Amino acid sequence: AQSVSQHNHHVILSEAASLELGCNYSYGGTVNLFWYVQYPGQHLQLLLKYFSGDPLVKGIKGFEAEFIKSKFSFNLRKPSVQWSDTAEYFCAVYTGKLIFGQGTTLQVKP
Amino acid sequence: KAGVTQTPRYLIKTRGQQVTLSCSPISGHRSVSWYQQTPGQGLQFLFEYFSETQRNKGNFPGRFSGRQFSNSRSEMNVSTLELGDSALYLCASSWTQGAGETQYFGPGTRLLVL
Repeated sequence: AQSVSQHNHHVILSEAASLELGCNYSYGGTVNLFWYVQYPGQHLQLLLKYFSGDPLVKGIKGFEAEFIKSKFSFNLRKPSVQWSDTAEYFCAVYTGKLIFGQGTTLQVKP
Repeated sequence: KAGVTQTPRYLIKTRGQQVTLSCSPISGHRSVSWYQQTPGQGLQFLFEYFSETQRNKGNFPGRFSGRQFSNSRSEMNVSTLELGDSALYLCASSWTQGAGETQYFGPGTRLLVL
């Protein structure tokens, strides 16, 4: 079955720490991969996406993600988090519909 | 350009009632998808409409239905509401359907069933 697995459910970091959120997907077709972010009280926003080409994609607010086909992974990274990055992060794969992971809540302590 | 808008933003209903939620896509977008978000089940796909036709459907009972109008606006309807239907219902739009498209989400309608 098609699925997305996010390894970390709740992550707590201090400001300036580095972030890596894991995402693995199960889908045998051509992958369209996404990371969305939901800030407190706000709607889902697109952070970045991968359709094809360079497997290292850059998104907004300094986020980047690397697509590793052999590992079926699309991990999200940021070298130095800020308090304003506190939010819930969702990885998703398009399979004719968007299938989302369970989400990772990131709490950044000032 | 205005984003995806959803009305109403909040709704309280009682069991057995029905509810209709509305979504206006980004101007020019012709595909509209609906998702249900709950703490327990996360984000789950309900259905997708393109050119007034349902193109894809998730694993929800027939009480959940939708439609799309010629101006691409969409509505979803839930009949015979159950307590478990309490959720945030999200609408997303994209230029067209299929791979290679990015879906942009609205703020959602929060439905509480009592």
